[in-house]
Amino acid sequence: QVQLQESGPGLVKPSETLSLTCTVSGGSISNYYWSWIRQPPGKGLEWIGYIYYSGSTNYNPSLKSRITISVDTSKNQFSLKLTSVTAGDTAMYYCARGGSTCFNWGQGTLVTVSS
Amino acid sequence: DIQMTQSPSSLSASVGDRVTITCQASQDINNYLNWYQQKPGKAPKLLIYDASNLQTGVPSRFSGSGSGTDFTFTISSLQPEDIATYYCQQYHNLPYTFGQGTKLEI
Repeated sequence: QVQLQESGPGLVKPSETLSLTCTVSGGSISNYYWSWIRQPPGKGLEWIGYIYYSGSTNYNPSLKSRITISVDTSKNQFSLKLTSVTAGDTAMYYCARGGSTCFNWGQGTLVTVSS
Repeated sequence: DIQMTQSPSSLSASVGDRVTITCQASQDINNYLNWYQQKPGKAPKLLIYDASNLQTGVPSRFSGSGSGTDFTFTISSLQPEDIATYYCQQYHNLPYTFGQGTKLEI
């Protein structure tokens, strides 16, 4: 059973870049789509974007100018970068296996944007 | 963006009850709809994909139906461990969008 684990800073200053990594274990990152989803505290889910293991991506247009999702197949990892963060980017960030349908999820990591 | 509207936003039911949640899409999404369960403090879990297909390992008391713009999620006999928030999600068009969630309480 594939497992996913998010990692990265829990606190980011406004205007800086949020960087998270998702490490996949128990299976290869190859031949699958991989997604990022976020959830502000007490609110619903927002799809951020996905990447195919080959590197092709699709992003939410509301975030497209600020996000980059990348993959490192040698490390079985994929990553999220979100630039110019504001308090509105404070959320639990989840990585997941799948593009349109998220079959397996990481436990999530809370990122707070604050000075 | 396609708007997904769930009803009700919250629901109180008893063990053994049949529970139904509806999800309406702002445009035709065929059957490109998933249902997720999120327990407090946990990540979402896929229950139903393609509107009506039960994910492997999910108890058969969960079911989904619908096509087009109107969808239904049903728990045939509510169990205590089903306390959670349930979300629908469309994947007919990018960006993929979720309903606002239905919080189920006992």
